[in-house]
Amino acid sequence: EPEVTQTPSHQVTQMGQEVILRCVPISNHLYFYWYRQILGQKVEFLVSFYNNEISEKSEIFDDQFSVERPDGSNFTLKIRSTKLEDSAMYFCASRRQDGTNEKLFFGSGTQLSVL
Amino acid sequence: LAKTTQPISMDSYEGQEVNITCSHNNIATNDYITWYQQFPSQGPRFIIQGYKTKVTNEVASLFIPADRKSSTLSLPRVSLSDTAVYYCLVGLLNNAGNMLTFGGGTRLMVKP
Repeated sequence: EPEVTQTPSHQVTQMGQEVILRCVPISNHLYFYWYRQILGQKVEFLVSFYNNEISEKSEIFDDQFSVERPDGSNFTLKIRSTKLEDSAMYFCASRRQDGTNEKLFFGSGTQLSVL
Repeated sequence: LAKTTQPISMDSYEGQEVNITCSHNNIATNDYITWYQQFPSQGPRFIIQGYKTKVTNEVASLFIPADRKSSTLSLPRVSLSDTAVYYCLVGLLNNAGNMLTFGGGTRLMVKP
């Protein structure tokens, strides 16, 4: 089965630093997502992206966050100035688009630790 | 978006059938019901999806009553490897709708 790939698997950074989390969605997928999960809590929606623009975003996705699809394969999440509370597992997901309800394929996540 | 309510946790033993029920009283006409499974330190994984009645695949069955205000995920003969968190999601992903919201999930513990 095709997979969503995320790198790195772990990222440690200092508070105030910028981080970029990288994802390679499944090749024929057109919708891309970022979710995050703070340890012991539920999976939270951050943002969805389609046709090179943000489709929907949550309240969590404030001005410190941005997403980009710099080329035909990568999808990135940037946090400009990390805070302690940004520490979480970040999941990338993708899905096809054929006009019907489709399942999301998730990557294995990037564990971000902000010190 | 329809809110979902599931038991926080369930325990079972190997070989038993497990049924996890999810309540979604405010489900919209076009919403689908989808279940995901999540193991520790991994991303959620799609298990099954349905709109009404019963759906079965190689992993599970999904029972949806006529009013669609609830659904039951049935896992036949669970094994230790089925220990995970199971999420019930209600919504629609199409060209217009683009977000699924996860609830708290049900933590299933399968014991030997």
